[in-house]
Amino acid sequence: AQSVTQPDIHITVSEGASLELRCNYSYGATPYLFWYVQSPGQGLQLLLKYFSGDTLVQGIKGFEAEFKRSQSSFNLRKPSVHWSDAAEYFCAVGRTGGSYIPTFGRGTSLIVHP
Amino acid sequence: DGGITQSPKYLFRKEGQNVTLSCEQNLNHDAMYWYRQDPGQGLRLIYYSQIVNDFQKGDIAEGYSVSREKKESFPLTVTSAQKNPTAFYLCASSLGRNSNQPQHFGDGTRLSIL
Repeated sequence: AQSVTQPDIHITVSEGASLELRCNYSYGATPYLFWYVQSPGQGLQLLLKYFSGDTLVQGIKGFEAEFKRSQSSFNLRKPSVHWSDAAEYFCAVGRTGGSYIPTFGRGTSLIVHP
Repeated sequence: DGGITQSPKYLFRKEGQNVTLSCEQNLNHDAMYWYRQDPGQGLRLIYYSQIVNDFQKGDIAEGYSVSREKKESFPLTVTSAQKNPTAFYLCASSLGRNSNQPQHFGDGTRLSIL
């Protein structure tokens, strides 16, 4: 079975600083990979997804993520963080080739200081 | 606009009472899901349905029940057998069965015990 680890429970950055949120997965083949964002009291919104091809994926709100097979990672990045980016971020991994439910990481809470 | 509607936003349950959380989607999606979210634990799958009149247990189905009589609707009942129901409940849907389909989420229902 696939699994996903988000090593950081909380990340604190200053507004305008760069951001990198870590995601590591465990799966034998190339997985489907997703990043979602959740604002307080709301549902999850898809930021970006990776299925195949170019390993650098662009998403909404200025986010990007890079798939690194050798490191089993799919880290989320943003060059300059805005106060409105403060939220919970979830990485998810899905198995290829079948009707499998994606597995979610436990989330990373982003705190943005002015 | 298409989307997922969860109601109510807040719900209170008395001891020994069953309560039902509503989830409706107008995205014409085949698959629907229920997740439970507790602080620091990410999303845990309760039940999912990949087609009308069919559903499967997820990782934490005990104390919960669902039905899928219509494509648009996937209500979740929290029964009195669920001894710790206080949580944030999220409903999601996806276009198809395969795990390469991103999930669309509702805004959640927060359930508390009176």
